[in-house]
Amino acid sequence: GAGVSQSPSNKVTEKGKDVELRCDPISGHTALYWYRQSLGQGLEFLIYFQGNSAPDKSGLPSDRFSAERTGGSVSTLTIQRTQQEDSAVYLCASSLGAGRVNNEQFFGPGTRLTVL
Amino acid sequence: AQSVAQPEDQVNVAEGNPLTVKCTYSVSGNPYLFWYVQYPNRGLQFLLKYITGDNLVKGSYGFEAEFNKSQTSFHLKKPSALVSDSALYFCAVRDGGYNKLIFGAGTRLAVHP
Repeated sequence: GAGVSQSPSNKVTEKGKDVELRCDPISGHTALYWYRQSLGQGLEFLIYFQGNSAPDKSGLPSDRFSAERTGGSVSTLTIQRTQQEDSAVYLCASSLGAGRVNNEQFFGPGTRLTVL
Repeated sequence: AQSVAQPEDQVNVAEGNPLTVKCTYSVSGNPYLFWYVQYPNRGLQFLLKYITGDNLVKGSYGFEAEFNKSQTSFHLKKPSALVSDSALYFCAVRDGGYNKLIFGAGTRLAVHP
């Protein structure tokens, strides 16, 4: 069975450019999470989706960051006007649903973003 | 706010010896605790979780963790380490009704032949 997939696996961009990162969750998983893993900050939560809505955006570091999810499946994380401090590995995870407290999250391989 | 602490940046152990990776937590309410492992250039893989019930939780690859409420700890253990266990280990706690995870800083485990 397919796990969580993310694309691209690596992205190098120039400061000031916009980037889009994609996440395909496990089929049937209604909950989707974005996290960021960076050297200085460790692993930090960015945003949570239940279906197509995002009831928790509390981890987005600035208004340059946005995300959407369509059809209750694929999600896109967009970073506008990228800065060097945005360089990190962006991880996506999915689970059966946040309503069940014992659901573990399954993580994708991540997208390594490098902003020059 | 919920938090977890992993006091050791790195743990070194000889192959065949028991290993322990430490984690302490601070939560309001019941703790829901998780361990994940990350191999180089890979995403996080779920190892085990504590939700309720027995304090000793068994997980993947022979790992187990002991929940200790009085010490607010959830240490990861394995009776006999393998070189292939060398990886980055994260302890995490569920935060809030949406199940987002709050992670510790991670502990790098190095198992030497």
